[in-house]
Amino acid sequence: GAVVSQHPSWVICKSGTSVKIECRSLDFQATTMFWYRQFPKQSLMLMATSNEGSKATYEQGVEKDKFLINHASLTLSTLTVTSAHPEDSSFYICSSGLGSIGSYNEQFFGPGTRLTVL
Amino acid sequence: DAKTTQPTSMDCAEGRAANLPCNHSTISGNEYVYWYRQIHSQGPQYIIHGLKNNETNEMASLIITEDRKSSTLILPHATLRDTAVYYCIVRTENSGNTPLVFGKGTRLSVIA
Repeated sequence: GAVVSQHPSWVICKSGTSVKIECRSLDFQATTMFWYRQFPKQSLMLMATSNEGSKATYEQGVEKDKFLINHASLTLSTLTVTSAHPEDSSFYICSSGLGSIGSYNEQFFGPGTRLTVL
Repeated sequence: DAKTTQPTSMDCAEGRAANLPCNHSTISGNEYVYWYRQIHSQGPQYIIHGLKNNETNEMASLIITEDRKSSTLILPHATLRDTAVYYCIVRTENSGNTPLVFGKGTRLSVIA
């Protein structure tokens, strides 16, 4: 099956710094990728939809100037958490829709990036 | 997408079948039932999906009631590695470019 990778798998940073998280589709092209955030003991919450070559679409309550998304190629989307603060500490997960596997579509998820802001 | 209701948590003895229920009484005719699971600190993993017929793959079986208002995911011989949160999601099939909406899921604990 298709593989989605994320880098880094975990990162610790000081408050006020920016952190970039990469999401790559390794064996397929992804025109659309999704970014989720998951706080401890909670479910995944969609943050934004990333479209190759165009601006991302953000969910209500997600600050687009704080969570910068770039989808410059069909295999790479990046999420930059700018001026990170402790409340941004979370598990960030990307996923990508796939055109088809056999007769149906399936979304593949990256392994996630755990961000800890001190 | 239709709303789903799942129990918060379940326990299962190792080697026994794990039966995870899901209610989706407002499902519409063109919506499928999808199951994903998330092992701790990992991304979600696709398990299985179906429309109205029962489905089976190498991971699990999916039993959908005739009225399609509920379904059950069956892990035939649960192992410790099956401990995870299991999400039942209802959505149209050909929507690979729309995001999955996750509920709270069922936390399955497989006990030795």
